Amino acid sequence: NAGVTQTPKFQVLKTGQSMTLQCAQDMNHEYMSWYRQDPGMGLRLIHYSVGAGITDQGEVPNGYNVSRSTTEDFPLRLLSAAPSQTSVYFCASSLGPGANLFFGPGTRLTVL
Amino acid sequence: KQEVTQIPAALSVPEGENLVLNCSFTDSAIYNLQWFRQDPGKGLTSLLLIQSSQREQTSGRLNASLDKSSGRSTLYIAASQPGDSATYLCAVSNNNAGNMLTFGGGTRLMVKP
Repeated sequence: NAGVTQTPKFQVLKTGQSMTLQCAQDMNHEYMSWYRQDPGMGLRLIHYSVGAGITDQGEVPNGYNVSRSTTEDFPLRLLSAAPSQTSVYFCASSLGPGANLFFGPGTRLTVL
Repeated sequence: KQEVTQIPAALSVPEGENLVLNCSFTDSAIYNLQWFRQDPGKGLTSLLLIQSSQREQTSGRLNASLDKSSGRSTLYIAASQPGDSATYLCAVSNNNAGNMLTFGGGTRLMVKP
């Protein structure tokens, strides 16, 4: 199993550009989530999904959109990138509530 | 709003020492607590998961305890090794919807040979 995979590993955007961060898992996990990690702020939840077709907002959802059309994939969209979105983004998945959380390797995003 | 604090922020010990990392949380109505390890430039690896009904979990040289009533958890590392050098994060879940975790700021551990 590849586990949780994320692409790209690194990305530089200009303010106002849009992009999609990809996340996929091959463990048949129902729960998937996106976190961002910033120095001094720790990891914060952006959006999460408890199954295909079901998504909800986390602590810091503004500026980000998600969708979950399949169990395997959970892409994160930045519609109009801002410098405040410079961060490391982690995707995570788990079998269900109370289960171990598996993280992807992260995407390091810089917005100029 | 749940807040998670980890003390100390950084720790340096000689190889072979037993050590304790601390995690405290403000809302004791948690669903579970997890300890993670993060190596520089890498993702997080789950070390131990403690359900709210449990008092402790063990894996190899690692032992995590949970005291819900006092809002505390400790991660005990026995006979530390240089390979244990990493940042250790604790995270709590306050509900069983979506595994929404609140993370502490982490403890950066360095084990010197």
